[in-house]
Amino acid sequence: GAVVSQHPSWVICKSGTSVKIECRSLDFQATTMFWYRQFPKQSLMLMATSNEGSKATYEQGVEKDKFLINHASLTLSTLTVTSAHPEDSSFYICSARGRTGKQNTIYFGEGSWLTVV
Amino acid sequence: DAKTTQPPSMDCAEGRAANLPCNHSTISGNEYVYWYRQIHSQGPQYIIHGLKNNETNEMASLIITEDRKSSTLILPHATLRDTAVYYCIGGGSNYKLTFGKGTLLTVNP
Repeated sequence: GAVVSQHPSWVICKSGTSVKIECRSLDFQATTMFWYRQFPKQSLMLMATSNEGSKATYEQGVEKDKFLINHASLTLSTLTVTSAHPEDSSFYICSARGRTGKQNTIYFGEGSWLTVV
Repeated sequence: DAKTTQPPSMDCAEGRAANLPCNHSTISGNEYVYWYRQIHSQGPQYIIHGLKNNETNEMASLIITEDRKSSTLILPHATLRDTAVYYCIGGGSNYKLTFGKGTLLTVNP
């Protein structure tokens, strides 16, 4: 099946610094990518939708200036957590919708653990 | 997106079929029913999806009622590795998937 890969799998950063998480679709072109975060013992919460060639659309309550999303190409989206604080520590997960042959199937990455100290 | 309702937890004996129900009475005509599962500390794994017809793949079968108000995911021969949280999601045309709390399936030896 289609593969979506995230990097890094886990990262520790100091409070006040920024950290970038990459999401790549490895064997298909992704017209749309989604970013989620998940706190312990909770379900996934959608943060934003990233469409090829346009700005990301953020869900209500998600600060777009804090969580910068860039859909750089049909196979790459990045999430940058700016000025990270301990409360931003979470499991960040991306998903991607395939462009051809898998147009209505969405695959998720392995997730990235962020710990802010 | 359609709201879905799932039991919070279920148990199944290893080797038996696991039948996970989902109610989605508000699903619209063009929304697919997606099933994913999440094993602790991993990203959700795609299982299967369908619109109207029943679907089967190497992982599972999806039975959708004729009125599309509910569906059942069937794992034909559950193994210990199938222990996970299973999510049933109604996916709209924008493909934004809204996750509920899912069903924690525990497969017992």
